[in-house]
Parts: sequence; C-alpha cells; structure tokens
Amino acid sequence: GNSVTQMEGPVTLSEEAFLTINCTYTATGYPSLFWYVQYPGEGLQLLLKATKADDKGSNKGFEATYRKETTSFHLEKGSVQVSDSAVYFCALPANQAGTALIFGKGTTLSVSS
Amino acid sequence: DAMVIQNPRYQVTQFGKPVTLSCSQTLNHNVMYWYQQKSSQAPKLLFHYYDKDFNNEADTPDNFQSRRPNTSFCFLDIRSPGLGDAAMYLCATSSGETQYFGPGTRLLVL
Repeated sequence: GNSVTQMEGPVTLSEEAFLTINCTYTATGYPSLFWYVQYPGEGLQLLLKATKADDKGSNKGFEATYRKETTSFHLEKGSVQVSDSAVYFCALPANQAGTALIFGKGTTLSVSS
Repeated sequence: DAMVIQNPRYQVTQFGKPVTLSCSQTLNHNVMYWYQQKSSQAPKLLFHYYDKDFNNEADTPDNFQSRRPNTSFCFLDIRSPGLGDAAMYLCATSSGETQYFGPGTRLLVL
C-alpha cells in the first residue's frame, strides 16, 4: 500500500513568519494528495488538495505543489497568523482500489504574536 | 449547510459498559468512515461502508462494531470499552477521494 512521511513538530513561529511543513510519500501510480488541518478539539478539515503531478493546491494562503520527481507535497505559507495554530496532516489514498486515506503523523504548528 | 454531524461531542462511559456513537450526514455521500484518533496521533481507520457494504480493517478489534441503517446515518458501537479505547472518534464521508469529517466525539472511559 501507499505510505506518507511528514516532518514532526512542534513547529513554533512568530506571526508573519514563513512556514514549510515537509511531506513525502510512496505510492503506486499518481494518487491525489491532501493536506488536512485540525484545530484544537475539532475534527479534520480539508485544507487543500492536488490531483495530478505539478498541480498546486491552495487555500487560505497555504499552498502545496504535487512533485512526482521528489515524491513530495510540502505545505507552505508566506506569512502565518496566530489563527493558523493547529495540527496539519498530509494524506493520500491508502491504495489504488479504495478511497480510505492514510495520514501522516501530524505536525503541530504554534504561532505567537 | 450540508455537513457531517456527530453526537454527542463528549461521551463518558464506564469500563465495560456498551456505548454508541452517532454520525449523520446531509451530503448524501455513499461512503462513510469511522476513525479512531488517540492523543497526538494520526487518525486510524476502523472501518468504512460503501453504501451498505461493510469493510473492516484487519486490525480493528472485535469490540468495535458498526451499523448503517440508511445513507444518512452510521453508528459506532463499542461493546465493552476499555481504558485504552479512550480517544476521539471521527466520522467522515466521501463521494470520491476527498473526505469530509465531522467534529468528532471525544470518549472518556472511567
């Protein structure tokens, strides 16, 4: 099956700093790739996705580019805010047959003002 | 708004006392999932339904069961909760590769 490796945190930044959270994957074929965000005490929310190589997913100032050469899908944001403090999960389908996702271990981001 | 709803948000049960967690959706998606998420860990898939077809993960304990009486509702039954079952339980739906999650039910076992 597929797998995902995500940089472990916590990541602590000051407001307006640049954010990168690394995510690499191994997969059969070229599955869609996802970033989910989980705010304290809440469920997961889809942050962005990319469905094919070289696609760039973006939402709320976050971006991630599907790079098949490096099998990576790193999450970036140019200027983080305190409200971005959350846990971020990289994910992809577990295999080609089904729709179940596998998640990275999650990266906790803490932004201070 | 269309959404995935989980009730209750917090559930306290006693060791060994059966408990049921509920999930409903207004998205009319044909796939529904139950995940278990322990503190500071990634969600772990327990099982999922594709319409009425039940798919159990190989390592899901027998203590966990599920029912899906119709498209909108799905239940997670824990027959004899142990202390190790304390976790956040997340319900999700999909009609393709993108999954939509409910807010979760946090289960505490005393």
